Amino acid sequence: ILNVEQSPQSLHVQEGDSTNFTCSFPSSNFYALHWYRWETAKSPEALFVMTLNGDEKKKGRISATLNTKEGYSYLYIKGSQPEDSATYLCAHSSGNTPLVFGKGTRLSVIA
Amino acid sequence: NAGVTQTPKFRVLKTGQSMTLLCAQDMNHEYMYWYRQDPGMGLRLIHYSVGEGTTAKGEVPDGYNVSRLKKQNFLLGLESAAPSQTSVYFCASADPGGLEAFFGQGTRLTVV
Repeated sequence: ILNVEQSPQSLHVQEGDSTNFTCSFPSSNFYALHWYRWETAKSPEALFVMTLNGDEKKKGRISATLNTKEGYSYLYIKGSQPEDSATYLCAHSSGNTPLVFGKGTRLSVIA
Repeated sequence: NAGVTQTPKFRVLKTGQSMTLLCAQDMNHEYMYWYRQDPGMGLRLIHYSVGEGTTAKGEVPDGYNVSRLKKQNFLLGLESAAPSQTSVYFCASADPGGLEAFFGQGTRLTVV
């Protein structure tokens, strides 16, 4: 089972601030990198799935980039809002291997 | 649209009791997973299946067994529950390309 590391573990930002988190993963046998948004008492919800080196995805104020050669992905949130407060999980898969999740970054946006 | 359904949603067990958690998906997905979620630990993979009749161990398989007799169902069994198995359990399924996983609503299990 391949290791996925996320940093920081938790983050507190003021409403309106922009922020970003990091996901590191093994660069060998890469298949896909996933970002999920996970609110308390709910199930994780997919944000992005990226497969190609250099991929950039965007959904509203949230975007993500992927570097498969060096094994990292960044998630960016522009102009954070209180409703962005959640745990953001990244997960890595290598072909037939299952999704392996990092421990997540817990974001709190203070109004 | 049912998606991924887990039953039960809540359960309290006494140490040593057994139980089975059911995960059902209606998306014809090949891959199914069982994870447990504990504070500060993210989602840890217990067991997974890449197709009907197949299962494999994940990161934390001890104390659990699984079966995938039908493609749409993935069962997680605890033969003799321990307090360390108190957790929230999530089931997920993925499309044939494995590019997106869909999660159930979770089962909160407490072992006393």
